[in-house]
Amino acid sequence: NAGVTQTPKFRILKIGQSMTLQCAQDMNHNYMYWYRQDPGMGLKLIYYSVGAGITDKGEVPNGYNVSRSTTEDFPLRLELAAPSQTSVYFCASRHGGQGTDTQYFGPGTRLTVL
Amino acid sequence: RKEVEQDPGPFNVPEGATVAFNCTYSNSASQSFFWYRQDCRKEPKLLMSVYSSGNEDGRFTAQLNRASQYISLLIRDSKLSDSATYLCVVTRDTGGFKTIFGAGTRLFVKA
Repeated sequence: NAGVTQTPKFRILKIGQSMTLQCAQDMNHNYMYWYRQDPGMGLKLIYYSVGAGITDKGEVPNGYNVSRSTTEDFPLRLELAAPSQTSVYFCASRHGGQGTDTQYFGPGTRLTVL
Repeated sequence: RKEVEQDPGPFNVPEGATVAFNCTYSNSASQSFFWYRQDCRKEPKLLMSVYSSGNEDGRFTAQLNRASQYISLLIRDSKLSDSATYLCVVTRDTGGFKTIFGAGTRLFVKA
């Protein structure tokens, strides 16, 4: 199993540009998450999904959108990039259900907005 | 007040030392508790779950005190490879499943 994969690893955007961060998992997990981590800070939840076709906002959703058309994929869309979105973005997944709270993280995407 | 708070750190310890990390959480509906480890510029990885009875994995011991809403992690005989940031993580399933990460405590183990 590849686990959770993310692309790209790095990206530099200009203010106002848009992009999609890709996330895929091959563990047949129901739950998927997008977090951002600013330097020296903890992870903050952007959006999450409990299954295909179902998404919900997390703590910091403004400026982002998501979709979940399949169990495997959970892309994150930035429509109008702003310097405040410079961060490391982590995607994670978990199976769900009792005793399966462990989240598995992808390697992250480092985004700089200039 | 943050829902999950950790020692700010950093902790600088010599090899072989014992180091303890503390974490408190404010929501009594919290259900599951974890310690994750995050190496520099890498993704978080599960270190261990935390149970009320306490649990041990080699040099690592985790404790949970639900009454005090307090979680701890003890590392014995520190190794250079233990240098990382340790994240306290709490989950609850009220009004939708939520995972709350602490800001992390950085550990530097020196030779």
